[in-house]
Amino acid sequence: NAGVTQTPKFQVLKTGQSMTLQCAQDMNHNSMYWYRQDPGMGLRLIYYSASEGTTDKGEVPNGYNVSRLNKREFSLRLESAAPSQTSVYFCASSEYGPGYEQYFGPGTRLTVT
Amino acid sequence: QQQVKQSPQSLIVQKGGISIINCAYENTAFDYFPWYQQFPGKGPALLIAIRPDVSEKKEGRFTISFNKSAKQFSLHIMDSQPGDSATYFCAASRGSSNTGKLIFGQGTTLQVKP
Repeated sequence: NAGVTQTPKFQVLKTGQSMTLQCAQDMNHNSMYWYRQDPGMGLRLIYYSASEGTTDKGEVPNGYNVSRLNKREFSLRLESAAPSQTSVYFCASSEYGPGYEQYFGPGTRLTVT
Repeated sequence: QQQVKQSPQSLIVQKGGISIINCAYENTAFDYFPWYQQFPGKGPALLIAIRPDVSEKKEGRFTISFNKSAKQFSLHIMDSQPGDSATYFCAASRGSSNTGKLIFGQGTTLQVKP
């Protein structure tokens, strides 16, 4: 089992460019999450999907969109990247909701210049 | 708003010592309190978790102490080892809700000196 995989591992964008971060899990989990991690801020939830076909906003959703493509895949899109979106992005999954262990991917380090 | 406050921001402990990290929460509806451990360049991984029906949970050298009335919980690492050097995050959620959110603290960077 690969667990939670994320692509790409690193990305540099110019302001205004768009990109999609990909995430997939092979644990047959129902819930998936996108977080961003910034120094001194901990992990902040961007969006989550409680089950296939549903998505909901987290703490910091502005500037992002998500798609729960199927039970395995949950993508995060930046339509017009801004320097404030420079961060490390983590995808996670759990069998059910937030009262269950979340399994994290290795992260994507994004720099917006 | 920051609903989970974690302290200290950084901690240096000698090998064999006790590491203590504290967290305080605001929302009395929270009923699931996990601690995650993160090594550099890796994603966080669940270390230990507690629900408020018990005041303490121990797994090996790691113990969570929970004080419901004070809305505080802490992680104790006994006999700290250099391999414990990592960033630790506390978190809280309404675990009984399928659509609730896991709120993380700001993180504590622990360094255990040999």
